[in-house]
Parts: sequence; C-alpha cells; structure tokens
Amino acid sequence: DAGVIQSPRHEVTEMGQEVTLRCKPISGHNSLFWYRQTMMRGLELLIYFNNNVPIDDSGMPEDRFSAKMPNASFSTLKIQPSEPRDSAVYFCASSQTRGGGGEQFFGPGTRLTVL
Amino acid sequence: QQQVKQSPQSLIVQKGGISIINCAYENTAFDYFPWYQQFPGKGPALLIAIRPDVSEKKEGRFTISFNKSAKQFSLHIMDSQPGDSATYFCAASKGGSEKLVFGKGTKLTVNP
Repeated sequence: DAGVIQSPRHEVTEMGQEVTLRCKPISGHNSLFWYRQTMMRGLELLIYFNNNVPIDDSGMPEDRFSAKMPNASFSTLKIQPSEPRDSAVYFCASSQTRGGGGEQFFGPGTRLTVL
Repeated sequence: QQQVKQSPQSLIVQKGGISIINCAYENTAFDYFPWYQQFPGKGPALLIAIRPDVSEKKEGRFTISFNKSAKQFSLHIMDSQPGDSATYFCAASKGGSEKLVFGKGTKLTVNP
C-alpha cells in the first residue's frame, strides 16, 4: 500500500484566499484524522471521522475551517478565508477502528504558508 | 487544558547513552499510551505503545515504563544512536475512543 497520501505537499497563499487540503487514507481503514502541527501548540487534533461520519470536531479552531469525507477514500480540509495564523503543517492520518488503541498512520503532511 | 505533559522539551545525548523522556497525564480514563517518532519533513510514526495492565514493555532498544499510581509513563532509549535523532511524542487515549491526545514533543539529538 502507498500509505496515506496528502496533497499538495506545500501550499503558499495570500491572506483571504481559500485553501483546500486533500487526503487519501489507507485502503481498508475506517477512521480518518486531521491534525495541525505548529511549534507553539504542538500536534493538535482538528477533527476525526469514523466510517465517513464526523465524530469529534471540537478541535476545529473556528468556522473558517471545514472538513468533509464524501467517501471512504477521500477527505478534504478547507480554510476559507485563510489567515497568516493558519500557517502550519497539516497532517492526515488513518487507522482501523479497534474500539480504541489503534495505530494511526500519518501522511507526509501539507506545509501551509499564508502570507 | 493540557492533558498530557511531556518533558524535557529537548534532549542531547551522546552516542551509546540512555535517552529518557517523561510524560504525565491527568485523566484516569486513559488506557492506551503510545509513543510516536517523527523525523524532519515526515509524519509521526508509531514507535511503541503500552496499556496500563503492564508496568513495562520493551521492543529492542526502546522501553516504556508505566506507573499507574503516579499517572506517569516514560520512554527509555538504550544505546542511543545518531539515527535516533528525531522528535518524540507521547500520547494517550480513553477506552473505546480513537482520539489521541499528544504531548508537546521532545526533540532528541544524539551526538556521534
């Protein structure tokens, strides 16, 4: 398997623009997670899905952030409008639901820079 | 509220030495404690994990020690190598939940 695939790997945009990050989880995995990593705040869970349904979005910072999972093989994280403080590395991860304690497999991340 | 506190923030060890990273948690409902390793430019990857029914788990040079009464767990890297230089994250999750809460990370540098 190719592992978790994220695109783009790097994104540079200007404040106010819409940004869409994409993720393809590992085939057969039914849980998908979006994380944000910064030096100041570390690794934060933004939202996670189970069987394509959002289970916990308490980490989504504000209404400018939205995430969708239209099917088992694709998810998007959208920021509209983007702000400089959104600059971070965004990771997608997937796992097989085991009722807790499953290994999460992370993608390579998308480095977002908002000017 | 930081549910998992990790220390130190950075650590420098000589080749062959022992690296020790500590984590403390607050929520007694946590029952799964993994450690993830992250190299620059890569996503984190699971290194080793433990459940509270055992006090220690060893995989090669990596050992987790778990103290349930103190609500603490630690990662020990024996015979540290330059290739171990990375950022290490402890994490925890509650029973039945897939959601992991991560510590802030420890940047380990192993000098040759």
